Amino acid sequence: EVQVVESGGGLVPPGGSLRLSCEVSGFTFSADWMTWVRQAPGKGLEWVANTNPDGSEKYYADSVKGRFTISRDNAKNSLYLQLNSLRVEDAAVYYCGTGGQMDVWGQGTTVTVSS
Amino acid sequence: DVVMTQSPLSLPVSLGQPASISCRSSQSVAASDGNTYLNWFQQRPGQSPRRLIYKVSNRDSGVPDRFSGSGSGTDFTLKISRVEAEDVGVYYCMQGTHWPLSFGQGARLEIK
Repeated sequence: EVQVVESGGGLVPPGGSLRLSCEVSGFTFSADWMTWVRQAPGKGLEWVANTNPDGSEKYYADSVKGRFTISRDNAKNSLYLQLNSLRVEDAAVYYCGTGGQMDVWGQGTTVTVSS
Repeated sequence: DVVMTQSPLSLPVSLGQPASISCRSSQSVAASDGNTYLNWFQQRPGQSPRRLIYKVSNRDSGVPDRFSGSGSGTDFTLKISRVEAEDVGVYYCMQGTHWPLSFGQGARLEIK
């Protein structure tokens, strides 16, 4: 069974940084794309970023481009999202998903941006 | 960018009755590889989303066969043949063909 576990969320002031992690098991991590999606409180789903199996290709939503960085460590079956220059509007539950189409989701990790 | 538009956004349905949600894309989401990357997700209250349908009409493992997906090009539909209490939640379509990937606004299904 595929399991996806996100961590690293927390409270950060505007302009601050955070690094989210996503650990995956039961899945050939190194063979597939990985995805981050977020959901602001009471809102719908927003795609954030994707990366290909070896991490050489990265795609970002315009709303996070230049501020967020997706990366992966295939030896650790782990995906990361570095969040810099955080804004109030970045507050959300961040979900990690397997594949390029969010095959399996984690439980999410909450990012709160507030002074 | 591809805009995904769902309708209706609110869906009151009686138990045992069918339900249908439409999803329209602002341009075709048929990919050059011959696939159409149109997915459907369910988010039950207080839970993470889970994928129900991928590539228009393929049910994910464990998804009851009362759920079905259809469509092509720019017009897609999720159908529930007989609504059960556990189907309450928000349903999202998502296109995975064009960057940036994009979701519909979500359609909330409730029991009448």
